[in-house]
Order: sequence, then structure tokens, then C-alpha cells
Amino acid sequence: GQNIDQPTEMTATEGAIVQINCTYQTSGFNGLFWYQQHAGEAPTFLSYNVLDGLEEKGRFSSFLSRSKGYSYLLLKELQMKDSASYLCAVRDPNDYKLSFGAGTTVTVRA
Amino acid sequence: IAGITQAPTSQILAAGRRMTLRCTQDMRHNAMYWYRQDLGLGLRLIHYSNTAGTTGKGEVPDGYSVSRANTDDFPLTLASAVPSQTSVYFCASSEDAGASYGYTFGSGTRLTVV
Repeated sequence: GQNIDQPTEMTATEGAIVQINCTYQTSGFNGLFWYQQHAGEAPTFLSYNVLDGLEEKGRFSSFLSRSKGYSYLLLKELQMKDSASYLCAVRDPNDYKLSFGAGTTVTVRA
Repeated sequence: IAGITQAPTSQILAAGRRMTLRCTQDMRHNAMYWYRQDLGLGLRLIHYSNTAGTTGKGEVPDGYSVSRANTDDFPLTLASAVPSQTSVYFCASSEDAGASYGYTFGSGTRLTVV
């Protein structure tokens, strides 16, 4: 089975940094994904980690530790448009399906 | 514009009625998926198809059926709707099941069963 945990909500100030943690206990692992979802919209792909370490993409970075079953998404220089839900997902190596955490709602305050 | 089209955008449905949610993609992706999203539960997989002609059950398949007659279309049918099927339904696709960019999602169908 899949068990993916992330905090429900986080609040941060514009210009600040926020780190969203994701822990997982899964029957197998073939990559971890982060998606962004604005209210009322579809999720959009942010990042993919399959090896340990940090992947950086502009203001967003994602880290993975497979031995700890742990990932985080780091959002730097927060902007109001970053207010959204962030979804952590783990891919199963047998059938390649994604299992999602419940999502973390980030609110950016002025 | 390439992507995934879902229809309808929203629907109110009487319990017991049959309903098909449509999903069409023009990216020639092999794999397609149906998820439902409920508050506090996140996205849960209903059914999937790794290639045209094949389908599989996800985490919450009961009460739903799918077909994949061709690459582009992946309709989801509720045979006899119940209020617990009130949810937002997302169709998604990927070039193949192991793609490194994950899924492309449609804009969703908001379904209310009364």
C-alpha cells in the first residue's frame, strides 16, 4: 500500500521561503513528483526526483532522500501567485501509477 | 492547443442515473488515468489505461467503468450514481507509464449527485 503524508496548511509572507515536507511509506518507489494546484484548476507538474539529492528549477527546488522516505519542496522568494495547493506523489515501480498525498495548501500573505 | 479536454465542466445528477464523463487528448499519449479529488483525501485513482485496448483498476474503482477503444478517448461511466460519487473528477495522461514529467491533467469535471 501507499502512505504519503504532508502538512495540511502552511502560511508564509511574500518574499519569504517555505519548505513543504512529504514523507512516504510505499510498497515500491519509482520516482517522486510535486504538482501545484490553484483553487478550481487542474494540477500542473513542478518537479520529479528519482535519485537522492536536490533538483533546482528557478525559485522552486525539490529534495529527495530515498533511504528516509522523505522529500521536500522549497519555494523561494514567495509571490502572491504561489498561493496554491502543493501535491506530493509517488510512482509505483510495478505499474507506474501515481499515488498522491492529500496536498498542502500554502497561503502567501502580503 | 494540445492537451486534454474533459466534458462536461460540471453536472448535477440525480441519484440512480447513468452518466459518462468524457476525456479526449490530442497528444498521442499512451497512458490515461481517471482520478477523483475530495477535500482532505487528495487525488485517488479510479481506473487507468497504459495503452489503447487495456484498462486496469485503481484504488477506488467500485461504481465506475472505463473503456479505451482508441488512443485519444478514455470515458468514465457511472452506471447508477450515488451521492458518495459527488466529487471533482480529473482525467490525466502521460506519454507512457514511466514518463519523467508525470501526468498532464484535464481541467476537471465537478459532479454533484443529489
